[in-house]
Amino acid sequence: QVQLVQSGSEVKGPGASLKVSCKASGYTFTDYSIHWVRQAPGQGLEWMGVIDPNGDRTNFAQKFQGRITMTTDTSTSTVFMELSSLRSDDTALYFCARTLTGSGTDWWGQGTLVIVSS
Amino acid sequence: DIQMTQSPSAMSASVGDRVTITCRASQGISNSLAWFQQTPGKVPKRLIYAASSLQTGVPSRFSGSGSGTEFTLTISSLQPEDFATYYCLQHGSYPYTFGRGTKLEI
Repeated sequence: QVQLVQSGSEVKGPGASLKVSCKASGYTFTDYSIHWVRQAPGQGLEWMGVIDPNGDRTNFAQKFQGRITMTTDTSTSTVFMELSSLRSDDTALYFCARTLTGSGTDWWGQGTLVIVSS
Repeated sequence: DIQMTQSPSAMSASVGDRVTITCRASQGISNSLAWFQQTPGKVPKRLIYAASSLQTGVPSRFSGSGSGTEFTLTISSLQPEDFATYYCLQHGSYPYTFGRGTKLEI
C-alpha cells in the first residue's frame, strides 16, 4: 500500500524558514517524482514544484524561485520541502503528492498545516 | 507560464443534472491535462488524466474531453457525492498550473 506521511503542523514567524517532510512507503522511492501543492485557507490548489528522487532534478513555480528547496533522502525514502522568508500569505495546507500525471493512482500526503503569524 | 482559465468559478445544480466545466490553456498543451475533485476537509482526488482517460475506480458518469487549449469535464448525471470543488491541472510544460477551481453546489 502506497503511503505518503507528512510531518506535523507548524507555526512560524514572518521571515522564518520552514521544512516539511514527506516519507514515502509501499513502492520503489526512486521510481516516482514527488510534487508539492499548497492550499491557502478557503482558496484553490497551487502547484509549487516537483522533485525527481532519481537524480534530484527539480522544477519550481516561478513565484517560489529563490526561496524554495526540495531534497530527498533515499536512505529513508523521504522528500523535504524547504521554504524560506515566510510571509503571512504562506499560511496554507501543504501537500506532497505522487502520480499527478500519467496513468496510475494519484497518492497524496495528509497535508501539513503551516501558519505564519507574528 | 501557462495560465489555466477555469469556468465557471461556481455553479448550482441538482441531483440528476448534466454539468460541464471548462478549462482553457493560454497555449497549447496537447492532452496534458488532469481533473481533480476535492471535497471539504479531504485531499484532492484525480478523476481524469491525459484529458480524457478515466481514473480506475471513478464512476463512468465523469468524462473528459479536449485537446490543445480547450478542455471540458462533464458529469452526466449528478449524484449527491459529486457536490465538491473541481480543478484542472496542466502538465504540458513546467511550471504546472492549476485552474482556480469550480465549486459545484446544490
